[in-house]
Amino acid sequence: EAGVAQSPRYKIIEKRQSVAFWCNPISGHATLYWYQQILGQGPKLLIQFQNNGVVDDSQLPKDRFSAERLKGVDSTLKIQPAKLEDSAVYLCASSDLAGGYEQYFGPGTRLTVT
Amino acid sequence: QQQVKQSPQSLIVQKGGISIINCAYENTAFDYFPWYQQFPGKGPALLIAIRPDVSEKKEGRFTISFNKSAKQFSLHIMDSQPGDSATYFCAALNQAGTALIFGKGTTLSVSS
Repeated sequence: EAGVAQSPRYKIIEKRQSVAFWCNPISGHATLYWYQQILGQGPKLLIQFQNNGVVDDSQLPKDRFSAERLKGVDSTLKIQPAKLEDSAVYLCASSDLAGGYEQYFGPGTRLTVT
Repeated sequence: QQQVKQSPQSLIVQKGGISIINCAYENTAFDYFPWYQQFPGKGPALLIAIRPDVSEKKEGRFTISFNKSAKQFSLHIMDSQPGDSATYFCAALNQAGTALIFGKGTTLSVSS
């Protein structure tokens, strides 16, 4: 079974530029999560989708971050405009269970904002 | 109330020894407690998880001990190996059943 796929793996942009990350969850997993992991810290949830609907986006900085999951499979996370403090690893996770259990993570996208 | 406190921040253990990582939580509504292992450049990998209705769960060399009254849980790695050297995160499922709340991580180094 293929794992969660993410691209790109690395991205370097200047502040105020925009960037987008892509995630393809494990086949059949209805629940998809985006996390932000700042260096030296644990992941922090940004947004959770159940199929193509948003379940929780309470910690998503909506003035600059947006995410979508069209057709309930792939998802994209966008930052526009980026700030220096957005430098982090952006992790996508998926689960075939509702309620947050048994989440499987992708390799992440390391974003550096200069 | 939504925090998970993890200790120690770093740990050095000799090969063959026991590694112990501790976590504490405040919110009694948390009902799922997983441990994740993360190698550099990789995403966290689910290692083992426990529900509060059991006090211990063992999978191979990895054991979770859970103390509901103390609101603490710990990961024990028996016969630690150099390949276990990684960062370990404890987590707890929030009250709404959506977000995993992660600890800050423990960097484990197993010396050969």
